[in-house]
Amino acid sequence: EIVLTQSPGTLSLSPGERATLSCRASQSVSSSYLAWYQQKPGQAPRLLIYGASTRATGIPDRFSGSGSGTDFTLTISRLEPEDFAVYYCQQHGVSPPPFGQGTKLEIK
Amino acid sequence: QLQLQESGPGLVKPSETLSLTCTVSGGSFSSSGYYWGWIRLPPGKGLEWIGSIHYSGTTYYNPSLKSRVTISVDTSKNQFSLKLYSVTAADTAVYYCARLTPQWLVYIWGQGTLVTVSS
Repeated sequence: EIVLTQSPGTLSLSPGERATLSCRASQSVSSSYLAWYQQKPGQAPRLLIYGASTRATGIPDRFSGSGSGTDFTLTISRLEPEDFAVYYCQQHGVSPPPFGQGTKLEIK
Repeated sequence: QLQLQESGPGLVKPSETLSLTCTVSGGSFSSSGYYWGWIRLPPGKGLEWIGSIHYSGTTYYNPSLKSRVTISVDTSKNQFSLKLYSVTAADTAVYYCARLTPQWLVYIWGQGTLVTVSS
């Protein structure tokens, strides 16, 4: 079973800055089946990216995903106040579909 | 607009059975292209997929929980349910019901319900 490790655990940035979140898999992720979710306090997660780089419907283009094999990145080009949240990566297309432990993006 | 709503006890005693139901409204429950499932978020940890069920009744479980989990579906009520047996404090979590694609992507989530295991 693949283990997904996210880094950093917490990222402190200011609005307007660029955020780079990492997700590393213990084995190669086939067909780039890697997704990213955003979760705000008291809310359910929201799908942002799937297939490593495809934005879900309605997701702003400041969110982008990249990577292949074992190393994947979620980039938020210019942070808005509403982007501060916890972000999870997930390998989809396999059973069970593992999630990472999350990166908390907090306001500096 | 499809909506999912979890219901069930918020407190369960150790060794007992956690039972939750998800009611689906605002859309098709018996769509062949999707699965219904349960995902949980323990405090201080990451998300964990518990299992999924197709409306036809086919189930898929996380091997780490398979021996203690049953997911069932009631198409007449547009509901699906989770039973987790012999719970311990480690099963304390926010439990989400969700609709998943065949690739286990989650586009639609319930609001989540906190279940605490404590005597």
